[in-house]
Amino acid sequence: NAGVTQTPKFQVLKTGQSMTLQCAQDMNHEYMSWYRQDPGMGLRLIHYSVGAGITDQGEVPNGYNVSRSTTEDFPLRLLSAAPSQTSVYFCASSSGRGLQETQYFGPGTRLLVL
Amino acid sequence: QQPVQSPQAVILREGEDAVINCSSSKALYSVHWYRQKHGEAPVFLMILLKGGEQKGHDKISASFNEKKQQSSLYLTASQLSYSGTYFCGTEMRGSNYKLTFGKGTLLTVNP
Repeated sequence: NAGVTQTPKFQVLKTGQSMTLQCAQDMNHEYMSWYRQDPGMGLRLIHYSVGAGITDQGEVPNGYNVSRSTTEDFPLRLLSAAPSQTSVYFCASSSGRGLQETQYFGPGTRLLVL
Repeated sequence: QQPVQSPQAVILREGEDAVINCSSSKALYSVHWYRQKHGEAPVFLMILLKGGEQKGHDKISASFNEKKQQSSLYLTASQLSYSGTYFCGTEMRGSNYKLTFGKGTLLTVNP
């Protein structure tokens, strides 16, 4: 199993551009989530999904959209990039619908918005 | 709603013990502990689901006091590989699968 994969690893955007961060898992996990990590802030939940077709907002959802059309994929869309969205983005997944199982994190995407 | 971790940083010599605390102002359903090394993804250590529960993982263990809404992570006989930033994540009652992380505790183990 590849686990949780994320692409791209690095990305530079200009203000106003849009892009999609890809996340995929091959463990048949129902729960998937997106976090952003900024220095000194810990990890903050952006959006999460408890199964295909079901998504909900986390702590910092503004400026981001998600969809979950398959169990495997959970892309994160930046609608109009802003410098405040410069961060490291982690995707994670866990088995079951809740958080009572191990969350596996992907390697992260480092995003710089100029 | 973000849990508070203490201390913010700790420096140990190999073989020494450390305790990292995590406290919340809200009623908790579960507490998760992760370790993250610089430039890498967080790695799961353990989940505590019940009040008063204690778990162990090699020489790393944790407790969860549901009444006090606190959890502590115990690292005994620390090894160089224990260095990293430790995060607690809390799931509050009725939070609908949302995990809120503390700001982290930087642990440095020196030879």
